[in-house]
Amino acid sequence: AQSVTQLDSHVSVSEGTPVLLRCNYSSSYSPSLFWYVQHPNKGLQLLLKYTSAATLVKGINGFEAEFKKSETSFHLTKPSAHMSDAAEYFCVVSERQRIQGAQKLVFGQGTRLTINP
Amino acid sequence: DTAVSQTPKYLVTQMGNDKSIKCEQNLGHDTMYWYKQDSKKFLKIMFSYNNKELIINETVPNRFSPKSPDKAHLNLHINSLELGDSAVYFCASSHELAGGRYEQYFGPGTRLTVT
Repeated sequence: AQSVTQLDSHVSVSEGTPVLLRCNYSSSYSPSLFWYVQHPNKGLQLLLKYTSAATLVKGINGFEAEFKKSETSFHLTKPSAHMSDAAEYFCVVSERQRIQGAQKLVFGQGTRLTINP
Repeated sequence: DTAVSQTPKYLVTQMGNDKSIKCEQNLGHDTMYWYKQDSKKFLKIMFSYNNKELIINETVPNRFSPKSPDKAHLNLHINSLELGDSAVYFCASSHELAGGRYEQYFGPGTRLTVT
């Protein structure tokens, strides 16, 4: 069965410093991996996705993530944090579809990112 | 705007009542979903419909009944509401990428509070 572990429930960084949000996954099949962001009282926005193409994936707002199969990791990074990055971040895994027409996403527990001025 | 929309955004009701949450997507997607986010922000899938057909049905109480009148709409009806139903409910829709993979788009959420 697929699962996701986000290694930090809360990360706090200063504005202008790098961001690292860690994610490990478990999947029996070739996974699709996603990072979603949820700003306070808002919906979920897709940041980036890995679907078996390039292992280094670039997303919106300067975020990127690297798929490392040997480490079963998909960590999210950003070179320089901005105040607007403060939000909850979810790492998500989906196996290659075995349900015709649908995709079952499994969410991590979330990491709350705080940006200090 | 092309998007997934939900109504209402907030819903406060008393235990025992019956309520519905509506979801619409104008993205042309064939598949729609309902997720529940609990007080600890954990998200879990509840249901999925593909072209009005139920294809994912997780372990959800029978009091929850999804209804899809057409592939652009997926409504969630909840009977006999309980305190534990308080949560944020997200609707989503998806389209297929190359190689049988999918990408999901989420609505803004409906915060349900049962008192």
